[in-house]
Amino acid sequence: EDQVTQSPEALRLQEGESSSLNCSYTVSGLRGLFWYRQDPGKGPEFLFTLYSAGEEKEKERLKATLTKKESFLHITAPKPEDSATYLCAVQAGGTSYGKLTFGQGTILTVHP
Amino acid sequence: GAGVSQSPSNKVTEKGKDVELRCDPISGHTALYWYRQRLGQGLEFLIYFQGNSAPDKSGLPSDRFSAERTGESVSTLTIQRTQQEDSAVYLCASSSTVRNEKLFFGSGTQLSVL
Repeated sequence: EDQVTQSPEALRLQEGESSSLNCSYTVSGLRGLFWYRQDPGKGPEFLFTLYSAGEEKEKERLKATLTKKESFLHITAPKPEDSATYLCAVQAGGTSYGKLTFGQGTILTVHP
Repeated sequence: GAGVSQSPSNKVTEKGKDVELRCDPISGHTALYWYRQRLGQGLEFLIYFQGNSAPDKSGLPSDRFSAERTGESVSTLTIQRTQQEDSAVYLCASSSTVRNEKLFFGSGTQLSVL
């Protein structure tokens, strides 16, 4: 069974204090790993897709990396507007493209 | 439309009643998904439509749940004889690519079963 575990469950940072969120996964043949951001009362918003170990992607203050067992979302010099829940999901080989397995998310709060 | 639209945004119902949730995907998107998000839990896959292919229903939790999609447009998720454990946010998403790398989610329907 595919599994995704995110840590920590919640993270409080001061503005400018860099940190990382972790996503550990177990999947039968990784087809893709996804990061989404979710604001309260809204649906998730796509951030990144990573396909193979060693791959990295960046967007503004966010950088996602991937190994064979986990992914990290690095946040550099965060701002209060980065506060949100960050979701990690995997897509397994041999399943339909629409079927993602999500982790429970990390709630990030950035204080000014 | 500008994004994925879901209605209603909130639905309160009594145990045992049937409910219908609606999703309008982004125009031109061939793929449509339904996910469920229970409080404090990750999103759970329910069902996936891709063009004219048979839908992947492997995530539907029981035969009380069903979904339909008309062509490449509107989809409805129906829950019959609702139970309290059905209370959750039901999220719809659509995608334009075959590999579905990027899902666009609606804001969801908050379902509360009393």
